[in-house]
Amino acid sequence: NAGVTQTPKFQVLKTGQSMTLQCAQDMNHNSMYWYRQDPGMGLRLIYYSASEGTTDKGEVPNGYNVSRLNKREFSLRLESAAPSQTSVYFCASSEPPTDTQYFGPGTRLTVL
Amino acid sequence: RKEVEQDPGPFNVPEGATVAFNCTYSNSASQSFFWYRQDCRKEPKLLMSVYSSGNEDGRFTAQLNRASQYISLLIRDSKLSDSATYLCVAQKEWDMRFGAGTRLTVKP
Repeated sequence: NAGVTQTPKFQVLKTGQSMTLQCAQDMNHNSMYWYRQDPGMGLRLIYYSASEGTTDKGEVPNGYNVSRLNKREFSLRLESAAPSQTSVYFCASSEPPTDTQYFGPGTRLTVL
Repeated sequence: RKEVEQDPGPFNVPEGATVAFNCTYSNSASQSFFWYRQDCRKEPKLLMSVYSSGNEDGRFTAQLNRASQYISLLIRDSKLSDSATYLCVAQKEWDMRFGAGTRLTVKP
C-alpha cells in the first residue's frame, strides 16, 4: 500500500498562475483533508471532505478550491496564486474522521 | 491567539535525558488529543493519543488535564532518533487544531 500520495513534490509559480495539487489514498478512507504548514504557524486546515461529493471549509479556505473526485482522490486548486500561498501543503486521510490522520509527503509550493 | 499553544523550543538535551513538553488548548469543546512527530521536511506521523487517565508507550508518557486544558508529553531515556518536532493536537469532530510544534534535538 502506498498510503497517501501527493503530486507534485515541488512547484514554483508566478503570481496569478493557477495550479492543482493532487492527492490520492489507497486506504479506503472516507475522510480527506488539505492542510498548509507555515513556519511558526503549525498545520492549518484548508478544506475537509467527509465523503465523495462533500466538502467543508476549514480554518484558512480563502484562495483555494477543492474537488473530491471519488473516494480515493481529493484535489486542491489555486486559481490565482499569491505570494502568501507559499507554503508546504499536506493532504491527509482518516477513517473515521475522529481517528488517526495519515499524511502524504507534502508539496512544497513557492509563489514568486 | 492560536487555539493550541506550544513552547517552540528548541530543546537541546543529551542522550539519556528526560524531557517534558507542554501544550495548552483554548477550545474547551475539544474531544480528542494527540501528539504527532514530524521529522525535518517530512510529513507528521502519529506518536500517541492522549487520554485523561494518562497513557504510556515505552519511553513516552502523555497526560491530559481537561480542567486546565493542558496536555503534556514526557520522553524518558532520550535517544538520538528522538530528535524531531513534536506537534500537539486538539480535535473536535473532524476539525484538528495543531500547535506550531516543539523542536527537540538529542545530542551524543
